[in-house]
Amino acid sequence: DAKTTQPPSMDCAEGRAANLPCNHSTISGNEYVYWYRQIHSQGPQYIIHGLKNNETNEMASLIITEDRKSSTLILPHATLRDTAVYYCIVRGNDMRFGAGTRLTVKP
Amino acid sequence: GAVVSQHPSWVICKSGTSVKIECRSLDFQATTMFWYRQFPKQSLMLMATSNEGSKATYEQGVEKDKFLINHASLTLSTLTVTSAHPEDSSFYICSARYPGGGRDTQYFGPGTRLTVL
Repeated sequence: DAKTTQPPSMDCAEGRAANLPCNHSTISGNEYVYWYRQIHSQGPQYIIHGLKNNETNEMASLIITEDRKSSTLILPHATLRDTAVYYCIVRGNDMRFGAGTRLTVKP
Repeated sequence: GAVVSQHPSWVICKSGTSVKIECRSLDFQATTMFWYRQFPKQSLMLMATSNEGSKATYEQGVEKDKFLINHASLTLSTLTVTSAHPEDSSFYICSARYPGGGRDTQYFGPGTRLTVL
């Protein structure tokens, strides 16, 4: 699986959009980009995934660059409950987690 | 849909005893399940991949005789920590591969917190 690089922490104001970047420069053609988040002492929660095209669901949007070497997860209107560790995973056959980004949404 | 449960949610045991943790996919069949371990302030570490009807595949450094995995049905995988010691205290999380969810998305259980005294 390709390695990913994420900033260790980010802050966001409540109600604002949270943009979480992820670099995956060694991604191969058939590897999907997945995003999960983990709220303290819970199992990871699936957010969204994509291959080449941008994706949107009820939770977030995923923007993947044309060369697929990086992506951005967008939470359009962050709430306090979105405070969590967000993991970007480039997946081959199994999910391997990096350190993730600790997002803190502040009032 | 795509709900994964774990039981128990927490367990405390004495050193030297064995503990079994169950992982169930409640509304789908999962041919493949995964077991992870997470220590405080660290990320999830993949321990093993469990395939229904066959032996589990363990990650390097994970003792297969200590962490027994059984995937006897398409909805149940169990992890047994044998002869538990305090250093085995951790947060154990399972996941199940949801078939057909777009490159087989994995859904995670809520985790089991094991404390060995």
